[in-house]
Amino acid sequence: KQEVTQIPAALSVPEGENLVLNCSFTDSAIYNLQWFRQDPGKGLTSLLLIQSSQREQTSGRLNASLDKSSGRSTLYIAASQPGDSATYLCAVGEEAAGNKLTFGGGTRVLVKP
Amino acid sequence: AAGVIQSPRHLIKEKRETATLKCYPIPRHDTVYWYQQGPGQDPQFLISFYEKMQSDKGSIPDRFSAQQFSDYHSELNMSSLELGDSALYFCASSYRGSGYTFGSGTRLTVV
Repeated sequence: KQEVTQIPAALSVPEGENLVLNCSFTDSAIYNLQWFRQDPGKGLTSLLLIQSSQREQTSGRLNASLDKSSGRSTLYIAASQPGDSATYLCAVGEEAAGNKLTFGGGTRVLVKP
Repeated sequence: AAGVIQSPRHLIKEKRETATLKCYPIPRHDTVYWYQQGPGQDPQFLISFYEKMQSDKGSIPDRFSAQQFSDYHSELNMSSLELGDSALYFCASSYRGSGYTFGSGTRLTVV
């Protein structure tokens, strides 16, 4: 059974610092990995999708890497802003029909002005 | 661009009542998923449909059922509601293993 862990559970940084969020998973037979952002009580906004054959994806200030063999992904957010404050969820898609996502517990980020 | 549409946004039901949640996936997406997110928890997979057929089942109680219709919209039916069913219910869709797009969710409160 796939298990996804995110460390740290919470992170507080001053504005302008770079953020590094870690995600690890136990079964390397994944289909893809997706990073989401969730504001309190709101829906899930997709940030980046990395297919299993890819090593990284970039979008603006966001960069996500994937190392399947070691079961790890890292989300980097450069030059953090107070608007980046949210919970960031890592989710792993299983290598099977249906591509069920297994989520990590999330990292709650607070960027202080 | 069209997104995943869920209705209603909020729903308040009493214990033992029945609730129906609706989901309209992105056009041409072939897979629909339902997730439940309790307070302070990460989303838990309930059930998925691929081309209108149930494709996978997670930790969905027997009191819950779901189906996908010919127009690809999906409904999650929950009967004999319990206080513990209070949660955010998300629907998501994808196309051929591409990334998920989630709806805004339905917040169900059971009183």
